[in-house]
Amino acid sequence: EVQLLQSGAEVKKPGESLTISCRTSGYTFTDYWIGWVRQMPGKGLEWMGRIDPTDSYTNYNPSFQGRVRMSIDKSINTAFLQWSSLQASDTAIIYCARLGFEQLTFEFWGHGTLVTVSS
Amino acid sequence: EIVLTQSPGTLSLSPGERATLSCRASQSVSGSYLAWYQQKPGQAPRLLIYGASSGATGIPDRFSGSGSGTDFTLTISRLEPEDFAVYYCQQYGSSSLTFGGGTKVEIK
Repeated sequence: EVQLLQSGAEVKKPGESLTISCRTSGYTFTDYWIGWVRQMPGKGLEWMGRIDPTDSYTNYNPSFQGRVRMSIDKSINTAFLQWSSLQASDTAIIYCARLGFEQLTFEFWGHGTLVTVSS
Repeated sequence: EIVLTQSPGTLSLSPGERATLSCRASQSVSGSYLAWYQQKPGQAPRLLIYGASSGATGIPDRFSGSGSGTDFTLTISRLEPEDFAVYYCQQYGSSSLTFGGGTKVEIK
């Protein structure tokens, strides 16, 4: 069974850094890209970027380029998303998802990590 | 970037009725690489349709997708109580993936 287990909710202050994780199981980690999706409170879905676990090649949404950093640890089948300096506008639920093999659809999703940034 | 516009914003229907949701792209979506997702409150989205018209694994056949180019449609033939949710389209015909703004299907 394919599973993506995300790290728990975070409460941070503006200017702080944060790394959240997405631990996968039930499939060969390096066979599928991992994508990240943001959902701000009461809003729709926004694609943040995707990463190839084979070589850590990344493709960012221009709106998020330079604001977040995606990375991989193949030894533990886990993807990470990092902010170096959070802003209040980063408050959102962040989902990781496994992309399809031939179709870049979000096939399997994590449960989401709530990130709250408040002074 | 391909912008996806979904309409209507909200659809008020009764169980048993047919739902027709629209997704219009700002430019042609190559390969009909268009997907649909369902999201219920407090849950992650779920993939329903890929390739504009192919049902994802385990999706009931009352969900169907159609369209090509810039105009795509998700149809729910007969609404079940569990189908009241928000629906998003997503294009993956370009390397920069985008989602539509969503259509909420609510109980009338």
